[in-house]
Amino acid sequence: DVKVTQSSRYLVKRTGEKVFLECVQDMDHENMFWYRQDPGLGLRLIYFSYDVKMKEKGDIPEGYSVSREKKERFSLILESASTNQTSMYLCASSLAGTGYGYTFGSGTRLTIV
Amino acid sequence: GQNIDQPTEMTATEGAIVQINCTYQTSGFNGLFWYQQHAGEAPTFLSYNVLDGLEEKGRFSSFLSRSKGYSYLLLKELQMKDSASYLCAPEGNTGFQKLVFGTGTRLLVSP
Repeated sequence: DVKVTQSSRYLVKRTGEKVFLECVQDMDHENMFWYRQDPGLGLRLIYFSYDVKMKEKGDIPEGYSVSREKKERFSLILESASTNQTSMYLCASSLAGTGYGYTFGSGTRLTIV
Repeated sequence: GQNIDQPTEMTATEGAIVQINCTYQTSGFNGLFWYQQHAGEAPTFLSYNVLDGLEEKGRFSSFLSRSKGYSYLLLKELQMKDSASYLCAPEGNTGFQKLVFGTGTRLLVSP
């Protein structure tokens, strides 16, 4: 069964910490995405990557960075965590080309205290 | 810019039919996805429309009008398990297949 795996389901970190969220896909997808989901705001794109070592900013990249050293792995980094980054983080992947849609990971609920 | 509008919440009873509307304005457009998301879970793919008209897939159908920037998801013979959020997501044509998601419509199905 093809899937996208996020390393943690729940995570609690302290303000100011550097936080790493990991995402791995086994479908050989070219594109990978990081979204955050907040009540009333829906899914908002943080960063995406269309190839190894390539990255593009989404709509809300401030306070985040990403790394894609291998095709199957896309990491989201919170450089210095703040309480307003408490959220559900969803990773997704897709094939290149139109109409394929995304396969999502199960999400990481991150709480910054 | 991008603007997607869906109702926030809808209620319906088991066995009924419900239509969830979505209007969108995007700077480029390839097609439109609908996703289902149960509480606490990841979104899962329901449908993709690229041409105008109705696409039927079992109890679920999806309609698209490109000229009007309008889509709807039609759910028939509602079941309790259909209680979920339904996300409308137009696909841009920038070449990176980015999806822009609406805030979703929370559907509550009662007995």
